Amino acid sequence: SQQGEEDPQALSIQEGENATMNCSYKTSINNLQWYRQNSGRGLVHLILIRSNEREKHSGRLRVTLDTSKKSSSLLITASRAADTASYFCAINTGNQFYFGTGTSLTVIP
Amino acid sequence: DGGITQSPKYLFRKEGQNVTLSCEQNLNHDAMYWYRQDPGQGLRLIYYSQIVNDFQKGDIAEGYSVSREKKESFPLTVTSAQKNPTAFYLCASSIGPRGLAGGPGEQFFGPGTRLTVL
Repeated sequence: SQQGEEDPQALSIQEGENATMNCSYKTSINNLQWYRQNSGRGLVHLILIRSNEREKHSGRLRVTLDTSKKSSSLLITASRAADTASYFCAINTGNQFYFGTGTSLTVIP
Repeated sequence: DGGITQSPKYLFRKEGQNVTLSCEQNLNHDAMYWYRQDPGQGLRLIYYSQIVNDFQKGDIAEGYSVSREKKESFPLTVTSAQKNPTAFYLCASSIGPRGLAGGPGEQFFGPGTRLTVL
């Protein structure tokens, strides 16, 4: 399968703590993207990192990409209860996107 | 107010019936996608289209059909041949092949349609 695989499957932290989730994949990519999904809703794009980039920041989000290890990580700093959601990585190869099974994040107030 | 819409939000179907899910976007995007999501799972690609009047099968196209007669619209028909159609269906669009170097860019998702077969 070309899809990404997130780790851990579930994560529970206290408000204010940092949350880190990882994504591994098996194929060459154009870019890797992270999305967020609140229960029963559509996905919202968070950040895109190209294959020639190693790190990107967006607000409280930090994404790293290691193409030699075929892995990426998403760090959410100073988490809030509103960050509770599922987070998916999506790898882009050509014209298609392949999504992982997601990390379910719970932030406890 | 730009965006991507899906209708209906909930859909119930009897076994043996075909149903069509609507997806419309006013983002002027060339590419559109249909995904299926099962409980606790990621998204699996059903069909995608890079341009009007052209579409490609994804990983799980069997039992589904699509059309792309207009840039703004990409309806999905779930046919009676789909053996387990109960799922959450998500439509997305992206700028497509003319987008930034290194891929079609980010996807914008609709709110989804939850289909239940009775």
